[in-house]
This record gives sequence, structure tokens and C-alpha cells, in this order.
Amino acid sequence: GAVVSQHPSWVICKSGTSVKIECRSLDFQATTMFWYRQFPKQSLMLMATSNEGSKATYEQGVEKDKFLINHASLTLSTLTVTSAHPEDSSFYICSAPGQGGSGYTFGSGTRLTVV
Amino acid sequence: DQQVKQNSPSLSVQEGRISILNCDYTNSMFDYFLWYKKYPAEGPTFLISISSIKDKNEDGRFTVFLNKSAKHLSLHIVPSQPGDSAVYFCAASASNYQLIWGAGTKLIIKP
Repeated sequence: GAVVSQHPSWVICKSGTSVKIECRSLDFQATTMFWYRQFPKQSLMLMATSNEGSKATYEQGVEKDKFLINHASLTLSTLTVTSAHPEDSSFYICSAPGQGGSGYTFGSGTRLTVV
Repeated sequence: DQQVKQNSPSLSVQEGRISILNCDYTNSMFDYFLWYKKYPAEGPTFLISISSIKDKNEDGRFTVFLNKSAKHLSLHIVPSQPGDSAVYFCAASASNYQLIWGAGTKLIIKP
């Protein structure tokens, strides 16, 4: 079945540094990728939607200069957390629509801890 | 404004009994509903879905019921097993692929 490979699965970084999270679609082309974040014991919140060949669409309240999203190809979307701060520590998940039994395929998630 | 609500943050059920997880929504434009199971630090695992043209969908031990007039759906798991212990999320879509998620219900299956 359709698989979205997300890396890294976990990362610890120092405040002020940048972290890149990659999501690759395997065996299918993902023209759209949704990026979510989840705080402990809370729901998944949509941050932005990346589209291959055009600018990402950000949800209200999400800083586009801080969370850089690039949909470089039909199989790769990246989220870069720039100048990370401890409050950016969260669980980030990507999802490609139109695949899988539910119509959505999720990456395995990235646990970001900023110290 | 929460469009998808899971009002029970947690639920404890005896092994072998039925687990019923509830979800309410406010947007009448939603036409596709999904249930996901999630473990900490992992991506969601799809369980079962239902389109708005149906009122029931069954897959093995999992059954989802949709009551459009009440804007309510529920997930029934029977019989409940220890491996079912996880957080369950209800999600809804209005034909644009964007999912709106509930806050989740932590299901604990007691042996």
C-alpha cells in the first residue's frame, strides 16, 4: 500500500538552530502534503498544506517565516523549523491525501525537542 | 470553534466488553468521517471510515455508526482487547481532503 516515509523520527536540537523534517511518498506521487503538529494530550492541528509547484498554504496563526515548507517534487515535502525555541517542541506529522484505505496516508511522525 | 468534538477524554472498559467512543460535529458540510487509533510518538493508524450516505459501516470488531440528524457518530469495538488501549481520534472532511480532528479519547482496556 501507499507509504509516506517521515524522517527523522525524533530530534533534539538547541534553541536557535533549525531543523528539517522530510516526508517522502513511496510508490505514489503526492501533489499535496498536509503538515500537522500535536501537543501532548491534544488533537492534531493542521499547520499548513504544501502543494508541488506552488507556495504552501498556512493556517491562521502559523508563522510562515518560522515554519518553512517546501514541496520540492511530487515525492518530497519538507518542513523546516527555523530558529527553534522550546515552545516549538512538539510532535509533527505529515499526511498525503488520496491514498490508503482511508484516503489519507500518514507519516510516522517526528518528535522535536528543543533544549 | 471546535467543529469536531470528543467530549470524553478517557474511557475505561473491561476486556471482552464493548467499547463505545463518541464524536459530535457541528459542520453539516462534512461528508466523510474517519476513526484513527494513535500511540504516543507514532502517526495515526486508520481504523474505519464512513461516508455521509451511510449510517453504518462494519469491519471486523469495529463498527461506526453515523446519525446525521444528531450530527453524531460513534465507534463500537467488540469485544475489546488489551491491544485496543490507545488514543482514538475522530476526524471529518468536507470534500476538500482537509481533515478536522477531535481532541481524542484515551481508551484503557482493563484485563
